Amino acid sequence: KAGVTQTPRYLIKTRGQQVTLSCSPISGHRSVSWYQQTPGQGLQFLFEYFSETQRNKGNFPGRFSGRQFSNSRSEMNVSTLELGDSALYLCASSPAVNTEAFFGQGTRLTVV
Amino acid sequence: ELKVEQNPLFLSMQEGKNYTIYCNYSTTSDRLYWYRQDPGKSLESLFVLLSNGAVKQEGRLMASLDTKARLSTLHITAAVHDLSATYFCAVDKGGGADGLTFGKGTHLIIQP
Repeated sequence: KAGVTQTPRYLIKTRGQQVTLSCSPISGHRSVSWYQQTPGQGLQFLFEYFSETQRNKGNFPGRFSGRQFSNSRSEMNVSTLELGDSALYLCASSPAVNTEAFFGQGTRLTVV
Repeated sequence: ELKVEQNPLFLSMQEGKNYTIYCNYSTTSDRLYWYRQDPGKSLESLFVLLSNGAVKQEGRLMASLDTKARLSTLHITAAVHDLSATYFCAVDKGGGADGLTFGKGTHLIIQP
């Protein structure tokens, strides 16, 4: 059974640009969550989607957004990139809400 | 606001020794997770603890949960070098609120 797939694995962007990251959950999983990992702040919850609806969102500015498609695949977008957005972005999928989360390999974003 | 505190944050130990990592959390929780992360890699799920008194073991690792004390422990028995990694505990408040709240992680180095 394939795991959670995130693309791309690495990205380098310039300050002010925007970026879109993609996540394909485990087959049959309907819940997708996104997390940001930085050395300073650790792992922080960004948002969660279930059945194409955002269920909740962490404490991040509006520049961070996401969506989920009917096949449960999810994308997150960051607009007007800042240097502080450099991080490892992890996607996790779960069969349903409040069930065990399985993480993808992450996308390493570097903003220069 | 849910807070999750791990200690120690850094641990260097010798092979063959036993040690315990502690995870305290501040509010009632539905479930508690332990994850392992190797450098540059994603999070690997180790244990899911669902109820008071839950104890789970896998190889040299054993996790327990005391919901009354709001404390979970990850015990390492007769450590081996391959267990070197960063270990995170994460708490799910339940009700789908705010995703998982992670501790800062325990960076474990096991020296031959």
